[in-house]
Amino acid sequence: EAGVAQSPRYKIIEKRQSVAFWCNPISGHATLYWYQQILGQGPKLLIQFQNNGVVDDSQLPKDRFSAERLKGVDSTLKIQPAKLEDSAVYLCASSLASGGANGELFFGEGSRLTVL
Amino acid sequence: GESVGLHLPTLSVQEGDNSIINCAYSNSASDYFIWYKQESGKGPQFIIDIRSNMDKRQGQRVTVLLNKTVKHLSLQIAATQPGDSAVYFCAEKDDYKLSFGAGTTVTVRA
Repeated sequence: EAGVAQSPRYKIIEKRQSVAFWCNPISGHATLYWYQQILGQGPKLLIQFQNNGVVDDSQLPKDRFSAERLKGVDSTLKIQPAKLEDSAVYLCASSLASGGANGELFFGEGSRLTVL
Repeated sequence: GESVGLHLPTLSVQEGDNSIINCAYSNSASDYFIWYKQESGKGPQFIIDIRSNMDKRQGQRVTVLLNKTVKHLSLQIAATQPGDSAVYFCAEKDDYKLSFGAGTTVTVRA
């Protein structure tokens, strides 16, 4: 079974530039999550989709971050304009049901962003 | 506010010994607790979970203990191996939302 695919794996940009990350979840998984993981910290939920609808985006900095999952499958997370504090690994995860029926989320390997 | 946290940021263990990783939580409404393992450069990987109506659950070489009285969760790894070196996160699920703690870095000494 193919896992969660993310791209790019690494991205370096200057502050005020824009960046986009792509995620393709495990086939059949209705729920998709974007987490931000700053070095030395645990993942923090940015946004959660159930199919193509948003379940929770309360911690998404909406002035600069946006995410979409138009067809209920793959998803894109965009940052515009980027700030230095956005340097982090952006993890995408998916699960069969909201929150995972037993809490089991399947994570991709992440996209590491460095903002200079 | 509610939070999930780990007692110690690092743990050094001799290969073959048992490891115990601790976690304190504060949200009494959480119905699931989950342990994840994250190796360098990879995403977190599910290890084991436990429902709030249980106090112990065993997997392969791992045991999770839940003490709701003191809001404490632990992960025990038997016969720790070099491949167990990673960052371990506890997470709690309240309704649909999964929240992660800060993590404990486990280093296995040969």
